[in-house]
Amino acid sequence: DAKTTQPTSMDCAEGRAANLPCNHSTISGNEYVYWYRQIHSQGPQYIIHGLKNNETNEMASLIITEDRKSSTLILPHATLRDTAVYYCIVSPNQGGKLIFGQGTELSVKP
Amino acid sequence: GAGVSQSPRYKVAKRGQDVALRCDPISGHVSLFWYQQALGQGPEFLTYFQNEAQLDKSGLPSDRFFAERPEGSVSTLKIQRTQQEDSAVYLCASSVSTSGLYNEQFFGPGTRLTVL
Repeated sequence: DAKTTQPTSMDCAEGRAANLPCNHSTISGNEYVYWYRQIHSQGPQYIIHGLKNNETNEMASLIITEDRKSSTLILPHATLRDTAVYYCIVSPNQGGKLIFGQGTELSVKP
Repeated sequence: GAGVSQSPRYKVAKRGQDVALRCDPISGHVSLFWYQQALGQGPEFLTYFQNEAQLDKSGLPSDRFFAERPEGSVSTLKIQRTQQEDSAVYLCASSVSTSGLYNEQFFGPGTRLTVL
């Protein structure tokens, strides 16, 4: 399974965009990039996923570089409720297990 | 609609006791996963079911861990002769299927197990 590298922690001011980077230099051609987040004392929550193209939904945007070796999750207007650990995961889109890393602990500050 | 539920939410066991953790997945979800999350770490895969079939149990740390999903719905994770290193949050997740476009897993709130 491909591995990902993320910064351990990041801070963001409330109302500003939060840009969370992820490196996945060994990603295979059939592997998707998934983002989940885990708010304290809750289970992880799916955010978004993509293969090659940039993706956007009501929660976030996902920017994947052309060589697919890295990606960035963007929360356009961070709120205090976005404080969580964000996990970048690469996985074949076949419904299998998720391999979580350490994630990035995002703190949104007023 | 109801999400994934887990019970109990908290469990304290004495070392050597057996425990059973329950997971009720979202109705109709074919796939069910168990993960173990130690304090300060990301979740780690334990085992996976497709309906009632346990297709992958490669993450179970020892033969003291056993999981079942006899009717393809509710699942139970059983830990025999608990040890202190078993203390963790046990997360259950379900997803619609194992194929298709999406691999979105819906997680329950977890069961926090503390072994004294």
